[in-house]
Amino acid sequence: DQQVKQNSPSLSVQEGRISILNCDYTNSMFDYFLWYKKYPAEGPTFLISISSIKDKNEDGRFTVFLNKSAKHLSLHIVPSQPGDSAVYFCAARGGTDKLIFGTGTRLQVFP
Amino acid sequence: EPEVTQTPSHQVTQMGQEVILRCVPISNHLYFYWYRQILGQKVEFLVSFYNNEISEKSEIFDDQFSVERPDGSNFTLKIRSTKLEDSAMYFCASCIARAHQETQYFGPGTRLLVL
Repeated sequence: DQQVKQNSPSLSVQEGRISILNCDYTNSMFDYFLWYKKYPAEGPTFLISISSIKDKNEDGRFTVFLNKSAKHLSLHIVPSQPGDSAVYFCAARGGTDKLIFGTGTRLQVFP
Repeated sequence: EPEVTQTPSHQVTQMGQEVILRCVPISNHLYFYWYRQILGQKVEFLVSFYNNEISEKSEIFDDQFSVERPDGSNFTLKIRSTKLEDSAMYFCASCIARAHQETQYFGPGTRLLVL
């Protein structure tokens, strides 16, 4: 089941710069997308979401962009901080409650 | 800030044994979920539960699995006869409503190891 894909398993960014995490999906029925952050030995923590009727949602340092025609979304973190180092999961939902997760991208922010 | 809690944090069991994983969802939430993550793989949906009934279940959620809300606060996942491949992190989540933009909040997980 590859409905949600995060093609970059890891990303390394310098503190203060922008982190861009990408996610692609195949199911055109998805209408709500979420980003979760996960530290080792913890559960996913909700970060930000976007409905399919929007193309951008911003919350502080986090912005999610949705390109429906390309079936692509991205999470921008600016400025990146060392505490942002974690695994980031993209998730999608459409028609039912269940979330379909991507495989995650490990972000490392170095000083 | 209210949060989803799960117990135990770790569980080791022998193949064929029954395990019960426990969750306390956020108190005013009405929708409950179990997900799991096998090491190195993606987080996968298992089951959703509302009004004391299963709303949806995945193909993973076979007859060996069951869920229950035995009282007003706990939500449990039972695996009747564990298999080696049940070893995973199990996450409980809850949601206040099923409205379009409601978010599922996850607990810290239970790491299950089946030997």
